[in-house]
Amino acid sequence: AQSVTQPDIHITVSEGASLELRCNYSYGATPYLFWYVQSPGQGLQLLLKYFSGDTLVQGIKGFEAEFKRSQSSFNLRKPSVHWSDAAEYFCAVGIPGGGADGLTFGKGTHLIIQP
Amino acid sequence: NAGVTQTPKFQVLKTGQSMTLQCAQDMNHNSMYWYRQDPGMGLRLIYYSASEGTTDKGEVPNGYNVSRLNKREFSLRLESAAPSQTSVYFCASRIQDPANEKLFFGSGTQLSVL
Repeated sequence: AQSVTQPDIHITVSEGASLELRCNYSYGATPYLFWYVQSPGQGLQLLLKYFSGDTLVQGIKGFEAEFKRSQSSFNLRKPSVHWSDAAEYFCAVGIPGGGADGLTFGKGTHLIIQP
Repeated sequence: NAGVTQTPKFQVLKTGQSMTLQCAQDMNHNSMYWYRQDPGMGLRLIYYSASEGTTDKGEVPNGYNVSRLNKREFSLRLESAAPSQTSVYFCASRIQDPANEKLFFGSGTQLSVL
């Protein structure tokens, strides 16, 4: 079965600074990979996803993520964070072509933006 | 465009009471899901329904039942609520197009069991 690890429970970044949120997965082949964001009191919104092809994927709100097969990682990055980026971020994996039981989520990283 | 609609948004129950969380989606998706979210635990799958008329257990099904009433609606029932079921519950539906795999989430139900 697939699994996802987000090593950082909390991350604090200054507004305007760059951001990288880490995600490692365990799966026998290349899975589908996702990053979701959850603002306070809201459901989850898809930021970006990787299925195949170019390993650097662009998402909404200026986020990007890079799939590195050798490291089983799919880290999320943003060059310059804004106060509105403060939220909970979830990495998730899915099984290509199957997996009716949906996605497996990491435990989340809480992003704090300081002025 | 409503997407995934969950009701209620908030609920307080006493131990032993029952309740049903309602979920409906208007995107004609086959698959629907119920997750619970607890601090430090991420989202854990309770039950899912791959298509109308079918339901399956997820990671944490104990204490819950579900009904896939029709293609639009997927309800979650707590027959005898326990404090351990205090959580935020999310319903989701899913595009199963391999090229467009995506979960759509409702805004959540915050449940407290006293």
